[in-house]
Amino acid sequence: NAGVTQTPKFRVLKTGQSMTLLCAQDMNHEYMYWYRQDPGMGLRLIHYSVGEGTTAKGEVPDGYNVSRLKKQNFLLGLESAAPSQTSVYFCASSYSMAGEAYNEQFFGPGTRLTVL
Amino acid sequence: GQQLNQSPQSMFIQEGEDVSMNCTSSSIFNTWLWYKQDPGEGPVLLIALYKAGELTSNGRLTAQFGITRKDSFLNISASIPSDVGIYFCAGRRSSNTGKLIFGQGTTLQVKP
Repeated sequence: NAGVTQTPKFRVLKTGQSMTLLCAQDMNHEYMYWYRQDPGMGLRLIHYSVGEGTTAKGEVPDGYNVSRLKKQNFLLGLESAAPSQTSVYFCASSYSMAGEAYNEQFFGPGTRLTVL
Repeated sequence: GQQLNQSPQSMFIQEGEDVSMNCTSSSIFNTWLWYKQDPGEGPVLLIALYKAGELTSNGRLTAQFGITRKDSFLNISASIPSDVGIYFCAGRRSSNTGKLIFGQGTTLQVKP
């Protein structure tokens, strides 16, 4: 199993450009999450999904959109990138037991995004 | 949004020394988790705690779920160079979304 994979690994954008980050997991997990990591801020939740076709806002959703059309994929979109979105983005997934999310979240290797 | 207060922010220690770090919150959590992030990688779960007062070990790592449910502690004994990385605490209130709230992280450097 590949676990959680993220593409691309690195990307540089100009202000105003758009892009989509792809997260894929092969563990049949129900729950998926997008975080951003900034120095001294820890990991902050952007959006999450509790199942195929459902998404919800996290702590810092502004400027981002997500889609979960297939259970194994969770896409994060930036419609008009801003320098404040320069960060490292992590995707994570977790499985459910009896309809509740299990504690361990499995993380991907991250995407380092720079917006100039 | 709420974050957990994790301290210290960074530590630079000699190989063989013991390490302690902690996490506090103004709110109660049902679950406390400790993750480690190696440079250039995503976080990996080290220890999960489910009950107030619980003390759990994983090799040289020991973590405790505070009695008040508002704090947690992680200890690393006899540190080695591969312990280098960022350690995050994370708390969870409800299980129907699985959402975690992370601390700011403790960066650990170990001098051989």
